[in-house]
Amino acid sequence: EAQVTQNPRYLITVTGKKLTVTCSQNMNHEYMSWYRQDPGLGLRQIYYSMNVEVTDKGDVPEGYKVSRKEKRNFPLILESPSPNQTSLYFCASSLGSTTEAFFGQGTRLTVV
Amino acid sequence: GEDVEQSLFLSVREGDSSVINCTYTDSSSTYLYWYKQEPGAGLQLLTYIFSNMDMKQDQRLTVLLNKKDKHLSLRIADTQTGDSAIYFCAEYDTGRRALTFGSGTRLQVQP
Repeated sequence: EAQVTQNPRYLITVTGKKLTVTCSQNMNHEYMSWYRQDPGLGLRQIYYSMNVEVTDKGDVPEGYKVSRKEKRNFPLILESPSPNQTSLYFCASSLGSTTEAFFGQGTRLTVV
Repeated sequence: GEDVEQSLFLSVREGDSSVINCTYTDSSSTYLYWYKQEPGAGLQLLTYIFSNMDMKQDQRLTVLLNKKDKHLSLRIADTQTGDSAIYFCAEYDTGRRALTFGSGTRLQVQP
């Protein structure tokens, strides 16, 4: 089954404790991206990747890092999480930047 | 920056038609999308339209695009309770090579 898998689905952590949210897709897609969803703001892109070893900042990259060492994986790293990063995070992949984006189930992160 | 705007809430009765509206600012948008988000789930692509079209129909869904006014709408005919969800309008930003999403419209379907 074609899918985008994120882990964990839910995470509560403390300020400053480094964390990684994993994202994996099994569709051989080149384009992957991370979004955060906040009430009344829709989805805002954090980072995206056009291919292996190619990553670029989205609209709200501050406080986040990503890596794309393999085509299927695109982890999101928060080196020092802060409460304003409490949000619902979505990973998405697509064949290209304009084609249908497939979304993961989301990761609800709470930073206290 | 580019902006996509939607109303936040729409309530309809089962069997009626729903119309969700969206305005966008990027006149160079080549693709415009409608995504659906059900509770606790990610977004699923419902339909999309190319900027050189003004209408697209797909079963109960009709998308209308007015390029002059930069207005996009999604009409759902014979709305069912299973259509209750948040609907996001999105445009492809050619400069950033990324999707810009609206804030989402929560559709509530009353029996």
